[in-house]
Amino acid sequence: DIQVTQSPSSLSASVGDRVTITCRTSQSISTYLNWYQQRPGKAPKLLISGASNLQSGVPSRFTGSGSGTDFTLTISGLQPEDFSSYYCQQSYTAVFTFGQGTKLEI
Amino acid sequence: EVQLVESGGGLVQPGGSLRLSCAASGFTFSDHYMDWVRQAPGEGLEWVGRVRHKAKRYTTEYAASVKGRITISRDDSKNSLFLQMNSLKIEDTAVYYCTRVFGGAQNAFDIWGQGTMVTVSS
Repeated sequence: DIQVTQSPSSLSASVGDRVTITCRTSQSISTYLNWYQQRPGKAPKLLISGASNLQSGVPSRFTGSGSGTDFTLTISGLQPEDFSSYYCQQSYTAVFTFGQGTKLEI
Repeated sequence: EVQLVESGGGLVQPGGSLRLSCAASGFTFSDHYMDWVRQAPGEGLEWVGRVRHKAKRYTTEYAASVKGRITISRDDSKNSLFLQMNSLKIEDTAVYYCTRVFGGAQNAFDIWGQGTMVTVSS
């Protein structure tokens, strides 16, 4: 199975800050990487598919980039509602794996 | 409104069985692959398995951690997805989410249910 290493596991930031979350995969997956946001007690929400394609309705302050084995999620101008957990997911193989998650805290 | 609603969770003893259901509405259920994803308390997300649509002969894929113990099926006439879990282990304790697969080869999960809690304990 493809391993997905996400970092950092937690991150402290302030409203207005710019933050970056990274995912690295154990083998090249082209751009088969998706990002999700999960608020406490809620189901995850798809933010970005195909490494950089913003889902409809997701604010443009969220940006995804990368290909191959290294990917990033950048949030520019943090808003109070952005303080959540974030997960990446590789979708290159038929056994899908998620990163360990990043908890973004104020 | 596009919606997925899970049901069937609960408390079960180790070695027991449970069948989860997921009712879909607001979209053409039969057009989509459907997956289950779970999340143990305080932990991250774990993909459980998939059932493809009729054109792919309803074929399935399972995570190694559950293979041989679970069966995913669907009833397109009732817009429903199922997860039959047998020989349950304590480590199967989790919230189980039903998800819709989007984006063709991108295999992204664009619609999620609210989740149903499964607790395996004696």
